[in-house]
Amino acid sequence: GAVVSQHPSRVICKSGTSVKIECRSLDFQATTMFWYRQFPKQSLMLMATSNEGSKATYEQGVEKDKFLINHASLTLSTLTVTSAHPEDSSFYICSARVTGGVGDTQYFGPGTRLTVL
Amino acid sequence: QKEVEQNSGPLSVPEGAIASLNCTYSDRGSQSFFWYRQYSGKSPELIMSIYSNGDKEDGRFTAQLNKASQYVSLLIRDSQPSDSATYLCAVNRGSNYKLTFGKGTLLTVNP
Repeated sequence: GAVVSQHPSRVICKSGTSVKIECRSLDFQATTMFWYRQFPKQSLMLMATSNEGSKATYEQGVEKDKFLINHASLTLSTLTVTSAHPEDSSFYICSARVTGGVGDTQYFGPGTRLTVL
Repeated sequence: QKEVEQNSGPLSVPEGAIASLNCTYSDRGSQSFFWYRQYSGKSPELIMSIYSNGDKEDGRFTAQLNKASQYVSLLIRDSQPSDSATYLCAVNRGSNYKLTFGKGTLLTVNP
């Protein structure tokens, strides 16, 4: 399957700082990437859809000014958590859509565990 | 009504048995169906995709789709302890649509 990478895998930061997470499709081009968040023992929650060359589409209840998404190229999307607070501590996972064939498929990156002190 | 529902777990089976995971969905326009496996602390990994009615086999995994009943299942034959994970059912309407996930079923395979 397609390979998606994320960086960093783990980050610890102080409250009030900003954190940038990168999501890359390594062996394919992805016009669409997705950002999810997962709290312990809970299901995946879609935060936003990232489209190359256009503004991201945010899910209801997700603050676009707090979670900045930039999809500047066909292989890279970034999520910046601005002014992070302890309640933003979570597992952030990106996925990239592969299209073609019978249908499209999403492949996930390995995730970034964010801890805000 | 929940859009994608999975059978409540946790599900526990002995090693070597068949594990059966079930999923129903409410959107009749759904076109694509996926099973992901998620180990604790890790991100989801795609294990099966299915787009048409019937069975699709890949090694020890078989996905079954019945669009009339709005039902998709995953069978794991000869279950191994390494299969112990949360299995997520995901559905979408086809290309350019986002995935809708079920809450997942925790499977434990006992040696």
